[in-house]
Amino acid sequence: AQRVTQPEKLLSVFKGAPVELKCNYSYSGSPELFWYVQYSRQRLQLLLRHISRESIKGFTADLNKGETSFHLKKPFAQEEDSAMYYCALIAGGTSYGKLTFGQGTILTVHP
Amino acid sequence: KAGVTQTPRYLIKTRGQQVTLSCSPISGHRSVSWYQQTPGQGLQFLFEYFSETQRNKGNFPGRFSGRQFSNSRSEMNVSTLELGDSALYLCASSPGQGKDTQYFGPGTRLTVL
Repeated sequence: AQRVTQPEKLLSVFKGAPVELKCNYSYSGSPELFWYVQYSRQRLQLLLRHISRESIKGFTADLNKGETSFHLKKPFAQEEDSAMYYCALIAGGTSYGKLTFGQGTILTVHP
Repeated sequence: KAGVTQTPRYLIKTRGQQVTLSCSPISGHRSVSWYQQTPGQGLQFLFEYFSETQRNKGNFPGRFSGRQFSNSRSEMNVSTLELGDSALYLCASSPGQGKDTQYFGPGTRLTVL
């Protein structure tokens, strides 16, 4: 069975500092990896996914298959980045429509 | 396009009752997935429907069921409610092809007293 681990429940940085949210996964096949974000009182929304390789709001994530990691990075954090971040994967095969989520990391960016 | 909508947004029920939640997907999306979100367990997958058929199911008891209609709208039902069923229930829609991005609704907050 697949599993996603986000080791940090809370992460605090100051505005302008680099930020990295860690995500490790366990799955023997080739999953598709996602980062979702939930701002205060808003719905869960896609931040980025591995296959699109886009940089959204300055965030990037690199898939490291050797370390089975998909860490989220931003060189200069902004106060508006404060939110809950979830790493998630969809496995292959018959895992239709099933996102497996990590426990989430609450990011706080201080002024 | 309009986003995923869920009704009702809030529900209060008592133990032993049953409840039905509704989800309207993004127009053109044929897959609807349901998730339960709690502080202790996080986001857990309940089931997924595509073209009125359940294609995938998570590890929840049979009290949790769902269905999908021909217009892709979906409902989930929880019978014989327990206190532990109190949670935010999220639905998400996608086109339905394998590893599609899922788009989430605002959720229904269920409180069981």
